[in-house]
Amino acid sequence: SAVISQKPSRDICQRGTSLTIQCQVDSQVTMMFWYRQQPGQSLTLIATANQGSEATYESGFVIDKFPISRPNLTFSTLTVSNMSPEDSSIYLCSVGRDGTHYGYTFGSGTRLTVV
Amino acid sequence: GEDVEQSLFLSVREGDSSVINCTYTDSSSTYLYWYKQEPGAGLQLLTYIFSNMDMKQDQRLTVLLNKKDKHLSLRIADTQTGDSAIYFCAESIYPGGATNKLIFGTGTLLAVQP
Repeated sequence: SAVISQKPSRDICQRGTSLTIQCQVDSQVTMMFWYRQQPGQSLTLIATANQGSEATYESGFVIDKFPISRPNLTFSTLTVSNMSPEDSSIYLCSVGRDGTHYGYTFGSGTRLTVV
Repeated sequence: GEDVEQSLFLSVREGDSSVINCTYTDSSSTYLYWYKQEPGAGLQLLTYIFSNMDMKQDQRLTVLLNKKDKHLSLRIADTQTGDSAIYFCAESIYPGGATNKLIFGTGTLLAVQP
């Protein structure tokens, strides 16, 4: 399965600023996914990012708040914009085994604290 | 609708078997997954089962799927202290279009007592 490197692993940010999280995969994948895990909660899908097209956002998430880039088949970024303490969460990127429907792999996550 | 539920907490003694249960609502699920999350870590895929199977065994792990009742379970044999973690079940669904997505359960915290 793919190996995912996610950076930064953690950050403490000031209210009103933005943070960009990077996700690098060691192989080419069509679909990349971004999830949020709020403290003590399960994972919620933010958006699906396909290379060469705009990301598809889930209900409750908008591009202005969580812009995503997908410049090639091995890399994606998620930006958390104009942060507030409610954005404090773990953000994880994920990929599926390309061409199949099983074996989703997750990065180690970015633990974000907004103060 | 999309809803995956699990019990929040399970405590077992080392060496016993653990059974973590999960119910889901979307009958169109294709694959169902079990993930493990240790403190401060990302998610580790433990195992998965295709929706047309009713059982899958992988070393100490046994997955049972009752599609009629939309019930999934994960049995861990000879549970060890290293198995202490949060376990998430997830279903893969196709809400429309070409992209599938994972819906995660609420997570079960497994505490293994020595």
